[in-house]
Amino acid sequence: GENVEQHPSTLSVQEGDSAVIKCTYSDSASNYFPWYKQELGKGPQLIIDIRSNVGEKKDQRIAVTLNKTAKHFSLHITETQPEDSAVYFCAASLTGFQKLVFGTGTRLLVSP
Amino acid sequence: EAQVTQNPRYLITVTGKKLTVTCSQNMNHEYMSWYRQDPGLGLRQIYYSMNVEVTDKGDVPEGYKVSRKEKRNFPLILESPSPNQTSLYFCASSSSGAVNNEQFFGPGTRLTVL
Repeated sequence: GENVEQHPSTLSVQEGDSAVIKCTYSDSASNYFPWYKQELGKGPQLIIDIRSNVGEKKDQRIAVTLNKTAKHFSLHITETQPEDSAVYFCAASLTGFQKLVFGTGTRLLVSP
Repeated sequence: EAQVTQNPRYLITVTGKKLTVTCSQNMNHEYMSWYRQDPGLGLRQIYYSMNVEVTDKGDVPEGYKVSRKEKRNFPLILESPSPNQTSLYFCASSSSGAVNNEQFFGPGTRLTVL
C-alpha cells in the first residue's frame, strides 16, 4: 500500500523566514496531495492541496510543488509569522475512493 | 455553524471496560472516518463509512468497531480497550468519498486506557 514519508519532524525558523516541508510517496497511482495544519488542541484543517496534473499551486504565502517523476511534494511557507506555528501533515490519496495516507507530521515553530 | 463534534473530549478508563466515542456532523456529509494520532506515526485511519450502513476497515481496525445507522452519526466503539489503544482520536467527514473532497476534522478525543 501507499507509504508517505515526511521531513523534517521539527523545524524552527525566525519570523519572516521561509519554511519548507518535504514529503515522498510510494504509490505512483496516488493523484491527490493535501496539506493539513493542526493547531494545538484542535483537529487538522486543510490549508492547500494539489492534484497530479498540476506541478505547483499557490495561495498567498503558501505554495505546494509536486514532482510526479520523483514522487515527492513540498509545502513552502514564505514570510512566516508566529501564527504559522503548528503541526503540518502531508497526505496522499489513492485513486477511487477517498483514502488518505498521512505523513508523520512536522512541528513548525516560528519565533518572533 | 458547520462542524464535526466529538464526545467526550477526554476519557480515562481501565482495561476491558467498554466505551463509545461519539461523532456527529451537521453538514449532511456522506463520508465519515475515524483516525488515531500517535507521536511519530501521524494519523492512521481506523474505519471509514461511505454512507449509511456502509462501513469498511482502514489501516488499523483491530480492537475497534463502528456503526453508521444515521447519516450524521458515526460512533467508535472499543468493546475491550487495552493500553495500546491510548491515543488521540479524530473523526472526520467529507461531502463524498471522492478523491480531493476536503475532510473536516473534529476537535479530537484523548483516550487513556490504564
